[in-house]
Amino acid sequence: GQNIDQPTEMTATEGAIVQINCTYQTSGFNGLFWYQQHAGEAPTFLSYNVLDGLEEKGRFSSFLSRSKGYSYLLLKELQMKDSASYLCAVRDELGNTGFQKLVFGTGTRLLVSP
Amino acid sequence: DAGVIQSPRHEVTEMGQEVTLRCKPISGHNSLFWYRQTMMRGLELLIYFNNNVPIDDSGMPEDRFSAKMPNASFSTLKIQPSEPRDSAVYFCASSLASGGAWDTQYFGPGTRLTVL
Repeated sequence: GQNIDQPTEMTATEGAIVQINCTYQTSGFNGLFWYQQHAGEAPTFLSYNVLDGLEEKGRFSSFLSRSKGYSYLLLKELQMKDSASYLCAVRDELGNTGFQKLVFGTGTRLLVSP
Repeated sequence: DAGVIQSPRHEVTEMGQEVTLRCKPISGHNSLFWYRQTMMRGLELLIYFNNNVPIDDSGMPEDRFSAKMPNASFSTLKIQPSEPRDSAVYFCASSLASGGAWDTQYFGPGTRLTVL
């Protein structure tokens, strides 16, 4: 089966640091993606991890531990515009087709307050 | 680059009517995905095309849903007959599925469907 868990909602203050966790159990694993989705808009790509460790991209960093089935997205120096949903997605194999698909968590809604 | 284009952006229809959603993927991308997003179930994959061929349609809810990709630049998702429980935001996404690490999916703006 496939199961991806994220907290439903988080709140934080402008200028602070927030960590959004994601745990997964999938039949296969070929990488983990984080997407940002503002209300009423499409998901947009934030980061990708396929090897263990931390990937840093400006104010955003993403960490992966494959042995633990765990990832987190770290947002630093929070801004009001960071208020959005953050979706964790695992790239999983598609049966014996040789193709892969993304399996999404239900997302974490982050509210940044002044 | 124009990005993934979807139409219509909003659709309101009555139960029993046919609904057709349209998608134009990013030029050069060879994979196309249709997703449905609801508050309860999040983002669910409905169907996946690669080089215009359906690879996986296990996410299509039932026979009322059908999807086609007649060429590399156009796809449709049809619901016939529509039901209130089909109300959701439907996203189309495309990627260049090279088999490498960076086949990121790019999403269109979505179609918000309301079935009364």
